[in-house]
Amino acid sequence: GENVEQHPSTLSVQEGDSAVIKCTYSDSASNYFPWYKQELGKRPQLIIDIRSNVGEKKDQRIAVTLNKTAKHFSLHITETQPEDSAVYFCASRSGGYNKLIFGAGTRLAVHP
Amino acid sequence: GEEVAQTPKHLVRGEGQKAKLYCAPIKGHSYVFWYQQVLKNEFKFLISFQNENVFDETGMPKERFSAKCLPNSPCSLEIQATKLEDSAVYFCASSQEAGRQPQHFGDGTRLSIL
Repeated sequence: GENVEQHPSTLSVQEGDSAVIKCTYSDSASNYFPWYKQELGKRPQLIIDIRSNVGEKKDQRIAVTLNKTAKHFSLHITETQPEDSAVYFCASRSGGYNKLIFGAGTRLAVHP
Repeated sequence: GEEVAQTPKHLVRGEGQKAKLYCAPIKGHSYVFWYQQVLKNEFKFLISFQNENVFDETGMPKERFSAKCLPNSPCSLEIQATKLEDSAVYFCASSQEAGRQPQHFGDGTRLSIL
């Protein structure tokens, strides 16, 4: 079936460093890839997304890259801040339907 | 409204009781999705609606789970004869259209089965 693998499961960085989270998807028909940030006890918040006709997208300190051939996409956070600490989820939109298939999440800790 | 509104925030039920959760999508959004997030953070898709029509129910446990989206009413997710493993946070999300559109999530309902 469709699945999304996400690595690493935990990531610890010093404030100011960069953080990279990687995902691989299985459904070659997937065409939309959002990233969500979820703080403890809160809703998932969409932080950036990318469509399959684009290879890279950037929004201030956050960027996402997509390699359709390899079925990989990655989240890059530069100049990390303590408030970036949260669980980050990648997802892919199933080709046939609108449902999102989520990765297992990455717990990011940014230490001052 | 401008946000997906879910009620209640927390619901406690004894095993075997019924649980009913509600979701009001963002105004103007045609698609509603229900996801279950269990303790290990994993999201499981349950069901989606296009307006009041079921769009995709491939994730719904057939026996005890049901859902509706009726005109001029919040959408609902109902669980009959709850089991301990139904304990989870249930998130509702909505999107404007089909296709490559962002899904915006509500705050979730934490269901605790005792």
